[in-house]
Amino acid sequence: DIQLTQSPSFLSASVGDRVTITCRASQGISSYLAWYQQKPGKAPKLLIYAASTLQSGVPSRFSGSGSGTEFTLTISSLQPEDFATYYCQQLNSYPFTFGPGTKVDIK
Amino acid sequence: QVQLQESGPGLVKPSQTLSLTCTVSGGSISSGGYYWSWIRQHPGKGLEWIGYIYYSGSTYYNPSLKSRVTISVDTSKNQFSLKLSSVTAADTAVYYCARVLEGPYDSSGGRYYYYGMDVWGQGTTVTVSS
Repeated sequence: DIQLTQSPSFLSASVGDRVTITCRASQGISSYLAWYQQKPGKAPKLLIYAASTLQSGVPSRFSGSGSGTEFTLTISSLQPEDFATYYCQQLNSYPFTFGPGTKVDIK
Repeated sequence: QVQLQESGPGLVKPSQTLSLTCTVSGGSISSGGYYWSWIRQHPGKGLEWIGYIYYSGSTYYNPSLKSRVTISVDTSKNQFSLKLSSVTAADTAVYYCARVLEGPYDSSGGRYYYYGMDVWGQGTTVTVSS
Protein backbone atom coordinates (compact mmCIF):
# COMPACT_ATOMS: atom_id res chain seq x y z
CA ASP A 1 0.00 0.00 0.00
CA ILE A 2 1.08 3.57 -0.61
CA GLN A 3 1.65 5.35 2.69
CA LEU A 4 0.90 9.05 3.01
CA THR A 5 2.43 11.24 5.68
CA GLN A 6 1.27 14.74 6.51
CA SER A 7 3.13 17.53 8.21
CA PRO A 8 2.55 19.10 10.52
CA SER A 9 0.06 16.88 12.33
CA PHE A 10 -1.16 19.88 14.28
CA LEU A 11 -1.02 23.56 13.40
CA SER A 12 -2.05 26.54 15.47
CA ALA A 13 -2.74 29.66 13.42
CA SER A 14 -4.58 32.96 13.44
CA VAL A 15 -7.25 34.36 11.15
CA GLY A 16 -5.52 35.87 8.14
CA ASP A 17 -2.46 33.63 8.33
CA ARG A 18 -1.11 31.80 5.31
CA VAL A 19 -1.10 28.08 6.06
CA THR A 20 0.72 25.30 4.22
CA ILE A 21 0.22 21.57 4.80
CA THR A 22 2.49 18.99 3.19
CA CYS A 23 1.57 15.47 2.11
CA ARG A 24 4.27 13.00 1.11
CA ALA A 25 3.69 9.65 -0.59
CA SER A 26 5.84 6.57 -0.09
CA GLN A 27 6.04 6.19 -3.87
CA GLY A 28 5.12 8.25 -6.88
CA ILE A 29 1.41 8.85 -7.41
CA SER A 30 1.57 11.20 -10.39
CA SER A 31 -1.05 13.87 -9.69
CA TYR A 32 -3.77 11.61 -8.31
CA LEU A 33 -4.03 13.30 -4.96
CA ALA A 34 -7.08 14.84 -3.33
CA TRP A 35 -7.42 17.10 -0.30
CA TYR A 36 -10.39 17.05 2.08
CA GLN A 37 -11.56 19.23 4.95
CA GLN A 38 -13.39 17.64 7.85
CA LYS A 39 -15.11 19.43 10.70
CA PRO A 40 -16.12 17.64 13.92
CA GLY A 41 -19.13 15.40 13.45
CA LYS A 42 -19.27 16.05 9.71
CA ALA A 43 -18.30 14.15 6.60
CA PRO A 44 -15.14 15.14 4.75
CA LYS A 45 -15.51 17.73 2.01
CA LEU A 46 -13.49 17.58 -1.21
CA LEU A 47 -11.39 20.71 -1.66
CA ILE A 48 -8.82 19.84 -4.32
CA TYR A 49 -8.46 16.96 -6.76
CA ALA A 50 -5.80 16.01 -9.26
CA ALA A 51 -3.35 17.73 -6.90
CA SER A 52 -4.23 21.26 -7.99
CA THR A 53 -7.79 21.45 -9.34
CA LEU A 54 -10.15 23.38 -7.11
CA GLN A 55 -13.45 21.59 -6.55
CA SER A 56 -16.48 23.60 -7.61
CA GLY A 57 -17.72 25.91 -4.88
CA VAL A 58 -14.50 25.85 -2.85
CA PRO A 59 -13.09 29.31 -2.08
CA SER A 60 -10.09 30.38 -4.11
CA ARG A 61 -8.00 30.90 -0.97
CA PHE A 62 -7.44 27.13 -1.12
CA SER A 63 -4.84 25.89 -3.56
CA GLY A 64 -2.90 22.70 -4.14
CA SER A 65 0.34 21.87 -5.85
CA GLY A 66 2.79 19.05 -6.38
CA SER A 67 3.23 15.81 -8.23
CA GLY A 68 5.05 12.55 -7.76
CA THR A 69 5.64 12.19 -4.04
CA GLU A 70 5.33 15.67 -2.54
CA PHE A 71 2.21 17.80 -2.40
CA THR A 72 1.06 20.91 -0.61
CA LEU A 73 -2.26 22.43 0.36
CA THR A 74 -2.15 26.16 0.95
CA ILE A 75 -4.76 28.40 2.52
CA SER A 76 -3.77 31.91 1.53
CA SER A 77 -5.65 33.74 4.29
CA LEU A 78 -7.13 31.57 7.01
CA GLN A 79 -10.78 32.27 7.79
CA PRO A 80 -12.71 31.30 10.94
CA GLU A 81 -14.57 28.58 9.04
CA ASP A 82 -11.29 26.95 7.98
CA PHE A 83 -10.45 25.60 11.40
CA ALA A 84 -10.77 21.88 10.78
CA THR A 85 -8.80 18.73 10.05
CA TYR A 86 -7.35 18.30 6.58
CA TYR A 87 -6.65 14.95 4.92
CA CYS A 88 -4.85 14.05 1.73
CA GLN A 89 -5.79 10.93 -0.24
CA GLN A 90 -4.02 9.15 -3.05
CA LEU A 91 -6.09 7.60 -5.85
CA ASN A 92 -3.22 6.46 -8.05
CA SER A 93 -2.98 2.90 -6.74
CA TYR A 94 -5.20 0.43 -4.97
CA PRO A 95 -6.08 0.54 -2.18
CA PHE A 96 -6.83 4.24 -2.03
CA THR A 97 -5.21 5.54 1.14
CA PHE A 98 -5.55 8.66 3.26
CA GLY A 99 -2.99 10.62 5.18
CA PRO A 100 -3.30 10.76 8.97
CA GLY A 101 -4.64 14.32 8.94
CA THR A 102 -3.55 17.79 9.97
CA LYS A 103 -5.61 19.59 12.56
CA VAL A 104 -5.70 23.36 12.14
CA ASP A 105 -6.60 25.07 15.39
CA ILE A 106 -7.08 28.63 16.51
CA LYS A 107 -4.05 30.31 18.04
CA GLN B 1 -27.71 18.07 -6.65
CA VAL B 2 -26.78 14.51 -5.79
CA GLN B 3 -27.16 13.55 -2.15
CA LEU B 4 -26.24 10.34 -0.36
CA GLN B 5 -27.82 8.92 2.77
CA GLU B 6 -26.60 5.93 4.77
CA SER B 7 -29.01 3.70 6.66
CA GLY B 8 -28.76 0.56 8.75
CA PRO B 9 -28.46 -0.74 12.29
CA GLY B 10 -26.39 1.29 14.69
CA LEU B 11 -25.59 -1.71 16.86
CA VAL B 12 -24.26 -5.05 15.66
CA LYS B 13 -23.25 -8.03 17.79
CA PRO B 14 -19.76 -9.50 17.51
CA SER B 15 -19.39 -12.21 14.86
CA GLN B 16 -22.50 -10.99 13.03
CA THR B 17 -22.71 -9.18 9.69
CA LEU B 18 -22.85 -5.40 9.46
CA SER B 19 -25.23 -4.28 6.71
CA LEU B 20 -25.58 -0.70 5.48
CA THR B 21 -27.34 0.86 2.52
CA CYS B 22 -26.60 4.13 0.77
CA THR B 23 -29.48 5.78 -1.06
CA VAL B 24 -28.61 8.12 -3.89
CA SER B 25 -31.00 11.00 -4.59
CA GLY B 26 -30.90 13.84 -7.08
CA GLY B 27 -29.18 11.75 -9.71
CA SER B 28 -28.89 8.26 -11.11
CA ILE B 29 -26.48 5.72 -9.72
CA SER B 30 -26.24 4.43 -13.29
CA SER B 31 -24.64 7.64 -14.53
CA GLY B 32 -21.34 6.87 -16.10
CA GLY B 33 -18.22 8.49 -14.78
CA TYR B 34 -18.83 7.76 -11.13
CA TYR B 35 -18.04 4.96 -8.75
CA TRP B 36 -19.75 4.44 -5.42
CA SER B 37 -17.64 3.90 -2.36
CA TRP B 38 -17.65 3.09 1.34
CA ILE B 39 -15.20 4.65 3.78
CA ARG B 40 -15.02 4.32 7.55
CA GLN B 41 -13.53 6.34 10.36
CA HIS B 42 -12.71 4.76 13.70
CA PRO B 43 -13.50 6.94 16.73
CA GLY B 44 -11.08 9.85 16.86
CA LYS B 45 -9.01 8.39 14.03
CA GLY B 46 -8.35 8.85 10.35
CA LEU B 47 -10.17 7.59 7.26
CA GLU B 48 -10.05 4.09 5.80
CA TRP B 49 -11.27 3.30 2.30
CA ILE B 50 -13.29 0.07 2.23
CA GLY B 51 -14.02 -0.31 -1.48
CA TYR B 52 -16.16 0.79 -4.40
CA ILE B 53 -18.64 -0.44 -6.95
CA TYR B 54 -19.59 0.70 -10.43
CA TYR B 55 -23.22 0.60 -11.50
CA SER B 56 -22.39 -2.39 -13.69
CA GLY B 57 -21.47 -4.32 -10.56
CA SER B 58 -17.70 -4.29 -10.87
CA THR B 59 -16.03 -3.85 -7.52
CA TYR B 60 -12.70 -3.28 -5.85
CA TYR B 61 -12.11 -3.92 -2.17
CA ASN B 62 -9.37 -2.89 0.20
CA PRO B 63 -7.26 -6.05 0.63
CA SER B 64 -7.21 -5.49 4.39
CA LEU B 65 -10.97 -6.15 4.49
CA LYS B 66 -11.50 -8.09 1.27
CA SER B 67 -12.23 -11.45 2.89
CA ARG B 68 -15.13 -9.95 4.88
CA VAL B 69 -16.55 -7.26 2.55
CA THR B 70 -19.24 -7.35 -0.09
CA ILE B 71 -20.46 -4.22 -1.88
CA SER B 72 -23.50 -4.54 -4.11
CA VAL B 73 -25.67 -2.22 -6.19
CA ASP B 74 -29.40 -2.06 -6.87
CA THR B 75 -29.88 0.31 -9.78
CA SER B 76 -33.67 -0.03 -9.63
CA LYS B 77 -33.65 1.44 -6.14
CA ASN B 78 -30.73 3.81 -6.78
CA GLN B 79 -28.90 2.25 -3.84
CA PHE B 80 -25.67 0.50 -3.06
CA SER B 81 -24.91 -1.56 -0.02
CA LEU B 82 -22.11 -2.74 2.25
CA LYS B 83 -21.91 -6.04 4.07
CA LEU B 84 -19.06 -6.69 6.49
CA SER B 85 -19.04 -10.14 8.02
CA SER B 86 -17.63 -11.52 11.25
CA VAL B 87 -17.44 -8.12 12.89
CA THR B 88 -15.50 -7.38 16.06
CA ALA B 89 -15.15 -4.31 18.25
CA ALA B 90 -12.44 -3.14 15.86
CA ASP B 91 -15.16 -2.55 13.26
CA THR B 92 -16.83 0.08 15.44
CA ALA B 93 -16.67 3.24 13.36
CA VAL B 94 -18.54 5.91 11.49
CA TYR B 95 -19.32 4.54 8.04
CA TYR B 96 -19.62 6.92 5.09
CA CYS B 97 -20.78 6.34 1.57
CA ALA B 98 -19.35 8.59 -1.12
CA ARG B 99 -19.31 9.18 -4.86
CA VAL B 100 -15.97 8.76 -6.60
CA LEU B 101 -15.13 10.93 -9.59
CA GLU B 102 -13.72 8.94 -12.46
CA GLY B 103 -10.63 10.38 -14.05
CA PRO B 104 -8.78 9.60 -17.26
CA TYR B 105 -8.44 6.19 -18.85
CA ASP B 106 -4.95 4.82 -19.20
CA SER B 107 -5.06 2.70 -22.34
CA SER B 108 -1.57 1.33 -21.78
CA GLY B 109 -2.45 0.15 -18.31
CA GLY B 110 -6.04 -0.72 -19.15
CA ARG B 111 -7.46 1.10 -16.20
CA TYR B 112 -9.17 4.26 -15.10
CA TYR B 113 -7.73 6.73 -12.65
CA TYR B 114 -9.83 8.58 -10.14
CA TYR B 115 -9.98 12.13 -8.94
CA GLY B 116 -11.57 12.01 -5.52
CA MET B 117 -14.78 11.67 -3.55
CA ASP B 118 -16.94 14.65 -4.33
CA VAL B 119 -20.22 13.79 -2.62
CA TRP B 120 -20.47 12.18 0.82
CA GLY B 121 -23.26 10.94 2.99
CA GLN B 122 -23.53 12.33 6.50
CA GLY B 123 -22.16 9.12 7.98
CA THR B 124 -23.68 6.55 10.28
CA THR B 125 -22.18 5.28 13.51
CA VAL B 126 -21.98 1.53 13.90
CA THR B 127 -21.06 0.05 17.25
CA VAL B 128 -20.10 -3.60 17.59
CA SER B 129 -21.02 -4.81 21.03
CA SER B 130 -22.89 -7.63 22.69
